[in-house]
Amino acid sequence: TQLLEQSPQFLSIQEGENLTVYCNSSSVFSSLQWYRQEPGEGPVLLVTVVTGGEVKKLKRLTFQFGDARKDSSLHITAAQPGDTGLYLCAGGPETSGSRLTFGEGTQLTVNP
Amino acid sequence: GAVVSQHPSRVICKSGTSVKIECRSLDFQATTMFWYRQFPKQSLMLMATSNEGSKATYEQGVEKDKFLINHASLTLSTLTVTSAHPEDSSFYICSAPSFRERGMFSRETQYFGPGTRLLVL
Repeated sequence: TQLLEQSPQFLSIQEGENLTVYCNSSSVFSSLQWYRQEPGEGPVLLVTVVTGGEVKKLKRLTFQFGDARKDSSLHITAAQPGDTGLYLCAGGPETSGSRLTFGEGTQLTVNP
Repeated sequence: GAVVSQHPSRVICKSGTSVKIECRSLDFQATTMFWYRQFPKQSLMLMATSNEGSKATYEQGVEKDKFLINHASLTLSTLTVTSAHPEDSSFYICSAPSFRERGMFSRETQYFGPGTRLLVL
């Protein structure tokens, strides 16, 4: 069974600060997805990384996939209140149509 | 991107009644769909994998007679919570994987529905 450890679970920061969320595993994943979810809504895909060492940027968000494809990080620069939400990392799928492995989630609160 | 819808978005029911939740892939076909349960500020917990044309695969600890899944077509899966009790109150989310061809590579992406909030009184 593949496991993804996500940290921190809760993060409360002030507007303008930077933060990093980590996802780590002892297993190799074919890809790693990052989702953001707001209360009462489904998760929305932010990015998919597939190549070891890959770095993707989405405005103030930077996503990195580890060289060995076992870990990933999400860095947010100059956080804004609109960034508040639950961030989820998910690994896989192992085969087409199979399940994703989710991390525990990081609840981010950015205070104005 | 691909769109997955869920209906209803929220439902309140009395203890002992059954509630059906629909998950539809609107612009693509999905032979597989996934049903999740989520508690406040926590990650998604996979309940079962819905397979078109065959029985659903349930995760350990999920009662198959309690949570009935029917994958009626390539665009529709339903989850029925039978004899609901207050402890079944939760946020239920479905997802469906879809392939998108990009140059030489095809990449599978999972698309999530907006979720259904169930409250059992």
